[in-house]
Amino acid sequence: DAKTTQPNSMESNEEEPVHLPCNHSTISGTDYIHWYRQLPSQGPEYVIHGLTSNVNNRMASLAIAEDRKSSTLILHRATLRDAAVYYCILRDNSGGGADGLTFGKGTHLIIQP
Amino acid sequence: EAGVAQSPRYKIIEKRQSVAFWCNPISGHATLYWYQQILGQGPKLLIQFQNNGVVDDSQLPKDRFSAERLKGVDSTLKIQPAKLEDSAVYLCASSLVRSSGITGELFFGEGSRLTVL
Repeated sequence: DAKTTQPNSMESNEEEPVHLPCNHSTISGTDYIHWYRQLPSQGPEYVIHGLTSNVNNRMASLAIAEDRKSSTLILHRATLRDAAVYYCILRDNSGGGADGLTFGKGTHLIIQP
Repeated sequence: EAGVAQSPRYKIIEKRQSVAFWCNPISGHATLYWYQQILGQGPKLLIQFQNNGVVDDSQLPKDRFSAERLKGVDSTLKIQPAKLEDSAVYLCASSLVRSSGITGELFFGEGSRLTVL
């Protein structure tokens, strides 16, 4: 899997938007951009994923650069429950075979009340 | 819908002892993964099963770790003998394989925390 680069930590205030950046300059054409988050003492949970177009779901939005070499996860209105480690992961979804996620260290998001 | 179940949640053993972790994936999920997460690091894939066959075990330390998934449902991960550096959280995840052959999102259990003294 191609590698991603994320800031080690970020801090934001409650009820404000949060933009979590991810660089993936060596992304290949079949790589999807996935985001997972891990709350304290829990297993990771899926947040969102996309290929080329921006994506929205109930948890977050994903903005993907036109050249696909970077992306940003957007939490529109952060709450204290969003404090977690956020992982940006590239995953080849061409189908079949070994497709386990390769996690980096992620971004530790701190939310201030 | 029930999530991925793991047990035990916590286990403390002495080095050179053995330990086993159990995982029950979400019903209907053909793919099952075991991850190891050492404190302060992201999870590391140990082994991936599709039904009861191994797809990828390239990062499994086979001299001491073993895993099986009999009947393509539940899975067990065993460590024998344990070393101090095996202290970690062991996470199980499962996912659905769509008709297109593409694997969907991973659903993780809460993990089993192992402390080796």
